[in-house]
Amino acid sequence: EAGVTQSPTHLIKTRGQQATLRCSPISGHTSVYWYQQALGLGLQFLLWYDEGEERNRGNFPPRFSGRQFPNYSSELNVNALELEDSALYLCASSLYGQSYEQYFGPGTRLTVT
Amino acid sequence: AQKITQTQPGMFVQEKEAVTLDCTYDTSDPSYGLFWYKQPSSGEMIFLIYQGSYDQQNATEGRYSLNFQKARKSANLVISASQLGDSAMYFCAMREGKEYGNKLVFGAGTILRVKS
Repeated sequence: EAGVTQSPTHLIKTRGQQATLRCSPISGHTSVYWYQQALGLGLQFLLWYDEGEERNRGNFPPRFSGRQFPNYSSELNVNALELEDSALYLCASSLYGQSYEQYFGPGTRLTVT
Repeated sequence: AQKITQTQPGMFVQEKEAVTLDCTYDTSDPSYGLFWYKQPSSGEMIFLIYQGSYDQQNATEGRYSLNFQKARKSANLVISASQLGDSAMYFCAMREGKEYGNKLVFGAGTILRVKS
């Protein structure tokens, strides 16, 4: 069974640009979560999508947004990039309402210069 | 107050010995779950073990066991027979009830180094 996949592995952008990160969940999982792991700040919850709807949002500005597609894959968009957005962005998936385990992908390392 | 506290920034253990990584949590929700994840230098978060707040027995998964002491709000991870490949960052995390949005709240992590 394939795990959670993320693309790209690395992404380098300049300040003010937009970044798009992609995630494909484990087959059968309907929930997708996004987390940011910035140096010195630990892992912080960004967004949770299930069945195409945004279910919960962490304490991040509106320029962090995303969506979930009918096939349950998800996209995270970061607009007007700032230097402090440089981080490892981790996507996780789970079965909603049945399994509490969230399985993580390998992450996308975003560098903003 | 911190929801998840991991008081050990770094730990060393000799290969083949057991090691305990500490985790305490804070919640008023009676329904919650506790997780441990391993993050090697590659960055991927690897799920290790889960303990539900209503589970009567401590969770075990191979060499991993969770020492769950509900009254003390602690959920320590015990790794038996440490291996060199266990060297990594370990995170304790908590998921509270559905009204909290199903998100995981992570501790700051503990770096474990296994010595040969």
